Amino acid sequence: SQQGEEDPQALSIQEGENATMNCSYKTSINNLQWYRQNSGRGLVHLILIRSNEREKHSGRLRVTLDTSKKSSSLLITASRAADTASYFCATGSGAGSYQLTFGKGTKLSVIP
Amino acid sequence: DTAVSQTPKYLVTQMGNDKSIKCEQNLGHDTMYWYKQDSKKFLKIMFSYNNKELIINETVPNRFSPKSPDKAHLNLHINSLELGDSAVYFCASSRGTSDRAQYFGPGTRLLVL
Repeated sequence: SQQGEEDPQALSIQEGENATMNCSYKTSINNLQWYRQNSGRGLVHLILIRSNEREKHSGRLRVTLDTSKKSSSLLITASRAADTASYFCATGSGAGSYQLTFGKGTKLSVIP
Repeated sequence: DTAVSQTPKYLVTQMGNDKSIKCEQNLGHDTMYWYKQDSKKFLKIMFSYNNKELIINETVPNRFSPKSPDKAHLNLHINSLELGDSAVYFCASSRGTSDRAQYFGPGTRLLVL
């Protein structure tokens, strides 16, 4: 069953601007992950944030997690044309679980 | 030195045929997955194997049968292909459970005519 819901479904920005994508989920989670998918390619893992963490950074990426609101956001700063891709959040429910449940994704277009 | 590889990359076939997709990972991971991505980009788990044992078997028609000959390989066989099977199928692997990153293959684009 679908767990994460990304918002917005599509986002178009100018190069150099920041892009923010949101993810909401319904049940308790152990961790939340963000993935990028370039057109015609497989998904690439970007960052993982655990349920006891509130914020995490990796290069130009900043992820926040609010477990009380069951939501997460992915911020890409100083966007580049190469950031054009679909971004998916995925939730993992527990240490004994092997299953990640993916949202429908946000399609980001960065205009040069 | 591709981490997760799939063959074939494209598969065009007639309804009713049987086909297989192969997946191999050289990351030393113990868990492998098959996902189906539909035309709206929704990614749905189909199967998962951990150390060659089936651990996730979602509601998938029994025309789909996974096989894991060893920890590095997970193949997907599809019998009696239907139009609705047209999609992109992704293989992925991870070290352990859902609190680890998954590494995806490039996908197999299946078109059933």
